[in-house]
Amino acid sequence: EIVLTQSPGTLSLSPGERATLSCRASQSVSSSYLAWYQQKPGQAPRLLIYGASSRATGIPDRFSGSGSGTDFTLTISRLEPEDFAVYYCQQFGSSPRAWTFGQGTKVEIK
Amino acid sequence: EVQLLESGGNLLQPGGSLRLSCTASEFTFTSYGMSWVRQAPGKGLEWVSTINTIGAATYYADSVKGRFTISRDNSKNTLYLQMNSLRAEDTAVYYCAKLSGGSGSPHFDYWGQGTLVTVSS
Repeated sequence: EIVLTQSPGTLSLSPGERATLSCRASQSVSSSYLAWYQQKPGQAPRLLIYGASSRATGIPDRFSGSGSGTDFTLTISRLEPEDFAVYYCQQFGSSPRAWTFGQGTKVEIK
Repeated sequence: EVQLLESGGNLLQPGGSLRLSCTASEFTFTSYGMSWVRQAPGKGLEWVSTINTIGAATYYADSVKGRFTISRDNSKNTLYLQMNSLRAEDTAVYYCAKLSGGSGSPHFDYWGQGTLVTVSS
């Protein structure tokens, strides 16, 4: 079973700053199988990035994803007030078939 | 706009049973795999179960295998989760989530708002 470890646990930044979130896998993950989600308090998660680097429908271009193998990154180029939230990475394993999430990174206002 | 509406959450005692439902609209339900994902209070996301487009293949997290059963009624555009032998650690918000394609799709592109299940004596 692949374990995803996200870092840091909490990121304290100001609006306008750049946010860099890390997701590290215990084994190599296909880039096609790595996604990122945003979750705000009291809301359902929202898909941001799939296939490691493709933005989902309606996601602003300040969000970008990169990485391969065991190391993946979500970057928010300039934080907007609505970007302060918890972010999860997620991978898909085909054998056995399972979907696994990281523990999340909280981006909070400094 | 894709809509997923969960229902059935409740407060119940350990050992009890509950069935959750998720009614889907504004997309072709029969073309997509569907899943349940849960979130314990103050915790992260945990995948629970997935079903393929015709209900013939199901997948479960080890934490619920043998206790939970996922099913779907394509005539009603509805997804179900039958939960038996409930434990305190099953307490969570349960989200219905649409896969981006069939049951081998790697990510969830739409989520419902969730329904709360509380297991406590």
